[in-house]
Amino acid sequence: DTEVTQTPKHLVMGMTNKKSLKCEQHMGHRAMYWYKQKAKKPPELMFVYSYEKLSINESVPSRFSPECPNSSLLNLHLHALQPEDSALYLCASSLVQYNEQFFGPGTRLTVL
Amino acid sequence: AQTVTQSQPEMSVQEAETVTLSCTYDTSESNYYLFWYKQPPSRQMILVIRQEAYKQQNATENRFSVNFQKAAKSFSLKISDSQLGDTAMYFCAFMILGGSEKLVFGKGTKLTVNP
Repeated sequence: DTEVTQTPKHLVMGMTNKKSLKCEQHMGHRAMYWYKQKAKKPPELMFVYSYEKLSINESVPSRFSPECPNSSLLNLHLHALQPEDSALYLCASSLVQYNEQFFGPGTRLTVL
Repeated sequence: AQTVTQSQPEMSVQEAETVTLSCTYDTSESNYYLFWYKQPPSRQMILVIRQEAYKQQNATENRFSVNFQKAAKSFSLKISDSQLGDTAMYFCAFMILGGSEKLVFGKGTKLTVNP
């Protein structure tokens, strides 16, 4: 299995809703990432998990809450989002050190 | 801080022709990776090619090849025999070896292959 999967593909939520994005990989990678991407812009790093521990938080607002329950799974919990949080959310994974990141297909999030 | 510059926001090419996308970067580090990622309209980010800075030989992957000029800090992507499926946004990216694993992306070049 050489892919990163993400669910759901699309998500529409209100500003008071609580939802979660899910990312999964079975490549034995020990680093996993969340990115946010606005239209026609490069991805912006949000969080990095290494060996299931949060290693980088790029000053992301607390309404985004990451979780790494095990080495194959990465979640992003969403609560009280704003319309400007509407974007494509990409998950990626890599071997622990010095390797390229493999990206999932993304979840397109719309906040109403 | 590391920066990546893609000076061509948009490019177009005729099917079957060759096109070169430019990328320059700035770093004081000596050990790093360079990547080209492709993002078609489906929005899936796909790795096209990777170059290790310590390797002098330019990386090649089928119709895709790079021209890596370390002294000039230049990393261009050549696409030969362009196909309609090559239409996508192309991002040049940089990562320091032994760093925080953070990828630094350029702003992207939108490539359109015309029939």
